[in-house]
Amino acid sequence: QPALTQPASVSGSPGQSITISCTGTSSDVGAYNYVYWYQQHPGKAPKVIIYDVSNRPSGVSNRFSGSKSGNTAFLTISGLQAEDEGDYHCSSYTSSSTPLFGGGTKLTVL
Amino acid sequence: EVQLLQSGGGLVQPGGSLRLSCAVSGFTFSSYAMSWVRQAPGKGLEWVSEISGSGGSTKYADSVQGRFTVSRDNSRSTMYLHMNSLRAEDTSVYFCAKYHCSGSSCYYDYWGQGAQVTVSS
Repeated sequence: QPALTQPASVSGSPGQSITISCTGTSSDVGAYNYVYWYQQHPGKAPKVIIYDVSNRPSGVSNRFSGSKSGNTAFLTISGLQAEDEGDYHCSSYTSSSTPLFGGGTKLTVL
Repeated sequence: EVQLLQSGGGLVQPGGSLRLSCAVSGFTFSSYAMSWVRQAPGKGLEWVSEISGSGGSTKYADSVQGRFTVSRDNSRSTMYLHMNSLRAEDTSVYFCAKYHCSGSSCYYDYWGQGAQVTVSS
């Protein structure tokens, strides 16, 4: 099954907002409200920042928000900070009951 | 404190074998499904395999089916990934991860530190 499609890179200046897209199909992103976003800093393990499309785990900043429209999910980071720089991975539940990941997006804070 | 401590990575020749271990602490290991997720150099994450809390149910990605075997020893709070017939395309950092599930909603709430597996002659 092909990976979910994410832009390879995005960038923004401190204080700005950015949005990362994650496009799947009607068999994964479009079929379920089980989309997750993970943040990964270089050399570190991923950390979940959004679950079930738009929910934040305890301790995650409210500058991170998620949404979905059709087969595409979105992660928005508002009030960009230098510490937000890193890689962001989306994931979706699939009909095979296993997760499907995106190719990852590198966020650069200018 | 929840901890997942990985060991067993390394350099192996094509066609060779390797075993990864993931020793956990800080939670009731047998109550949670676990997964292996890998990341090739400069690439995104790829789900590899998962095992139920009892160990009675396992799943594999098509890319490793028949070559990799996931297992767990709940008495030792440890999960394993036995990798056989390794190929160059298996070169990745391998992470173990703990599932957090609520109904059909499952995500990884804790991860190991990662183990580098390099397949090269």
